[in-house]
Amino acid sequence: DVKVTQSSRYLVKRTGEKVFLECVQDMDHENMFWYRQDPGLGLRLIYFSYDVKMKEKGDIPEGYSVSREKKERFSLILESASTNQTSMYLCASSPARGNNYGYTFGSGTRLTVV
Amino acid sequence: TQLLEQSPQFLSIQEGENLTVYCNSSSVFSSLQWYRQEPGEGPVLLVTVVTGGEVKKLKRLTFQFGDARKDSSLHITAAQTGDTGLYLCAGARGSGTYKYIFGTGTRLKVLA
Repeated sequence: DVKVTQSSRYLVKRTGEKVFLECVQDMDHENMFWYRQDPGLGLRLIYFSYDVKMKEKGDIPEGYSVSREKKERFSLILESASTNQTSMYLCASSPARGNNYGYTFGSGTRLTVV
Repeated sequence: TQLLEQSPQFLSIQEGENLTVYCNSSSVFSSLQWYRQEPGEGPVLLVTVVTGGEVKKLKRLTFQFGDARKDSSLHITAAQTGDTGLYLCAGARGSGTYKYIFGTGTRLKVLA
């Protein structure tokens, strides 16, 4: 069964901490994405990557960075966590650009910043 | 700017009833997808529609893409409690894109 695995289901971090969210996919997908999901706001794209070492900003990149050193792994970094980054974080992957296969999502990481 | 509007936002029905949820936009999409998300989980892809006017069926679920590729609907026949969840539509802008814009979702609760 194809999978996108997020390292943690729940995280509680303190304001100001540096936070790493890890995502691994086993489908050899080129594209990987990080979204956050908040009630009433839907899914908002933070960053995405269409190749190793490539990254592009999404709609809400402020306060976040990403790393993609290997094809299967895409990490989201909160440089200095703040309470407004409390959210559900979803990682997704998809095959190469231009097709309509859709996303495979991970189960999500619910991050609480206190 | 929210490009994809879903309606209704919330829907609570009895088991066995039929329902339709809608996904509307003023923009044209090259393809549109529907996902279902259960509490505490990530969204799961149900279907992709690509051609204007296309209809796809997945057991009791019927998906339709509007002729102008600006809207879509999901119809569930004889809803079951297992259909409970958040239904999300997502549209791709342009044939060369791999980014999708998500609607805010319809939260469906099917009561036994």
